[in-house]
Amino acid sequence: DVKVTQSSRYLVKRTGEKVFLECVQDMDHENMFWYRQDPGLGLRLIYFSYDVKMKEKGDIPEGYSVSREKKERFSLILESASTNQTSMYLCASRSRTDPDQYFGPGTRLTVT
Amino acid sequence: EDQVTQSPEALRLQEGESSSLNCSYTVSGLRGLFWYRQDPGKGPEFLFTLYSAGEEKEKERLKATLTKKESFLHITAPKPEDSATYLCAGSSFMNTGFQKLVFGTGTRLLVSP
Repeated sequence: DVKVTQSSRYLVKRTGEKVFLECVQDMDHENMFWYRQDPGLGLRLIYFSYDVKMKEKGDIPEGYSVSREKKERFSLILESASTNQTSMYLCASRSRTDPDQYFGPGTRLTVT
Repeated sequence: EDQVTQSPEALRLQEGESSSLNCSYTVSGLRGLFWYRQDPGKGPEFLFTLYSAGEEKEKERLKATLTKKESFLHITAPKPEDSATYLCAGSSFMNTGFQKLVFGTGTRLLVSP
């Protein structure tokens, strides 16, 4: 079974802090994704990576950056957290040859 | 603009009362229609992928179907453990040529014993 893990289930940070969210997958997937999920808005793509050190902007990249130094690990960085970044953050991965995405358990981030 | 719309927003059923969830899409060059189940506080769990109109897939009490404009998730004789939010997503291409999923906002299903 595909396993995608995220470093924290719950996180509380203060405005202006730098925040790192980590995601690890164990299936040697080439593609990895970061989404945020908000009530009434559904899941929106922030960034994705199609290979080590490669990244593409999604629909809402503003205020975020990403890092992929190893194939199994994809990090989302909030350079200076703001209250409007309070959300559920979901990581996903997929094989380049299979369109099915597999999600991690999510990190609920609260910025106060 | 690619869009996926799910209805109803919420659905309450009695155990054993069959029903259907709707997902309508306007995704240019659809490369797949995905259904996920999401339990509260958890990540979405993959259920089905449908690729062409007329295709059907089944898993236990769930059956997903696809037409050229919409997909249905049929739930037959549901049980309380089927209570969850069901998400639908269409796969489309970004300007860069990579595929992405466009999600609907989900249908919250509650099945009462």
